[in-house]
Amino acid sequence: GAVVSQHPSRVICKSGTSVKIECRSLDFQATTMFWYRQFPKKSLMLMATSNEGSKATYEQGVEKDKFLINHASLTLSTLTVTSAHPEDSSFYICSAREGNEHREQYFGPGTRLTVT
Amino acid sequence: GQNIDQPTEMTATEGAIVQINCTYQTSGFNGLFWYQQHAGEAPTFLSYNVLDGLEEKGRFSSFLSRSKGYSYLLLKELQMKDSASYLCAVMDSNYQLIWGAGTKLIIKP
Repeated sequence: GAVVSQHPSRVICKSGTSVKIECRSLDFQATTMFWYRQFPKKSLMLMATSNEGSKATYEQGVEKDKFLINHASLTLSTLTVTSAHPEDSSFYICSAREGNEHREQYFGPGTRLTVT
Repeated sequence: GQNIDQPTEMTATEGAIVQINCTYQTSGFNGLFWYQQHAGEAPTFLSYNVLDGLEEKGRFSSFLSRSKGYSYLLLKELQMKDSASYLCAVMDSNYQLIWGAGTKLIIKP
C-alpha cells in the first residue's frame, strides 16, 4: 500500500520558536495533501488542504500566518508552526491523496509537538 | 450543515461481536470510510463503501444504506488489540472528508 512519512515524529520546542514538519508520499504522487490536528481523546480536525503548486485552503478559525503550509512538489508538503506557544502543543497528522479517482487518504504517522 | 454522528464509547468482551453505528448528513456523497486509530498513532484505513450493502474483509465488515444516511462497522471475534477508536468519515461532493468524533471501543477479557 501507499506510504506517507512524517518527520519529525516528536519535537519539543521553546515558546516563540518555529517548527517545521515534513510530510512525504514515498511511492505515489500526492496531488492533494491534508494537515490535521488532534487533541487528546478528540477526533481529527482538518486545518488545511493543499494542492501541489497552489496556495493552501485553510479551514475556518485556522490562522494561515501562524500555520504556514507549502506543497512545492508532488511528494512533499511542509507545515511550519510559527512563533509557537504552549497551546499549539498537539498531535499533527498529514495525509495524502493521489487525485480524485483514488479516494483513499493515506495518513502519515503523526508528529507530537510539545511547546514549553 | 454537515454532520456525522457515532457513539462516543462502547465496551465489548473478547471473542464477541460489536457493531458501531454511524449516521451522516452531508452535502453530497462520494463514499464512506472507516478508520481505526490506536492511542497516540495515526488512523489506518479499514473500509470504503460507496454502494449500498455489506463489504466483508476478514473479521471486519462495513454496511452502507445511502437512503438512510447510515453505516455500521461490524467487528467479529474481538481481540484485545481491537481496543482503539473507530472513525467514520464521509467524502462530500467536493471530495473532502467529513469526520465523525470517533467511537472509543474498549475490549474486556
